[in-house]
Amino acid sequence: NAGVTQTPKFRILKIGQSMTLQCTQDMNHNYMYWYRQDPGMGLKLIYYSVGAGITDKGEVPNGYNVSRSTTEDFPLRLELAAPSQTSVYFCASGGIETQYFGPGTRLTVL
Amino acid sequence: QKEVEQNSGPLSVPEGAIASLNCTYSDRGSQSFFWYRQYSGKSPELIMFIYSNGDKEDGRFTAQLNKASQYVSLLIRDSQPSDSATYLCAVGPGDSARQLTFGSGTQLTVLP
Repeated sequence: NAGVTQTPKFRILKIGQSMTLQCTQDMNHNYMYWYRQDPGMGLKLIYYSVGAGITDKGEVPNGYNVSRSTTEDFPLRLELAAPSQTSVYFCASGGIETQYFGPGTRLTVL
Repeated sequence: QKEVEQNSGPLSVPEGAIASLNCTYSDRGSQSFFWYRQYSGKSPELIMFIYSNGDKEDGRFTAQLNKASQYVSLLIRDSQPSDSATYLCAVGPGDSARQLTFGSGTQLTVLP
């Protein structure tokens, strides 16, 4: 039981490039989330999903897209990367009593 | 917009002391309240949750909730250097951990 896994762990992008952050969970949770965490700040919700085929915007969705074709996977797509998207990205899947977080992806846009 | 406010700290306490972490929230309809611990460079992990007014104890940790004052706190008794971390308060609209709003966290340092 791996929980929530994320790839890659680190990535450096140039301005205008695109990339996909991968997230997979093996706990059969319907709810999954993408957050970003800027230095010294809390978690800001980017997108979330309540099940396969259903996604919705969170607090800071601009510049990102998601899809949810299976229960296990919830990739986050960055189009036209900007320096403001430099952050640590956490994927989480939700049970009733807690959200389980992946190890994070540290993204730098230069 | 739902807001969750925490004192950013840093908060320093000596080893063995009680650390008190505070959190206020703006949405009066909030039903679930969580405390997460985040070590530097790591992902958040749940310490405890509370749904009802009053106190809830789990080992050295006590969560206190006052819905009328829209206030939740976390007390850490007999603080240890291993408790040094950032503590995130999170608030949810229902009786589960779904769709949480997180505060910015309080950095705690326990001095040996």
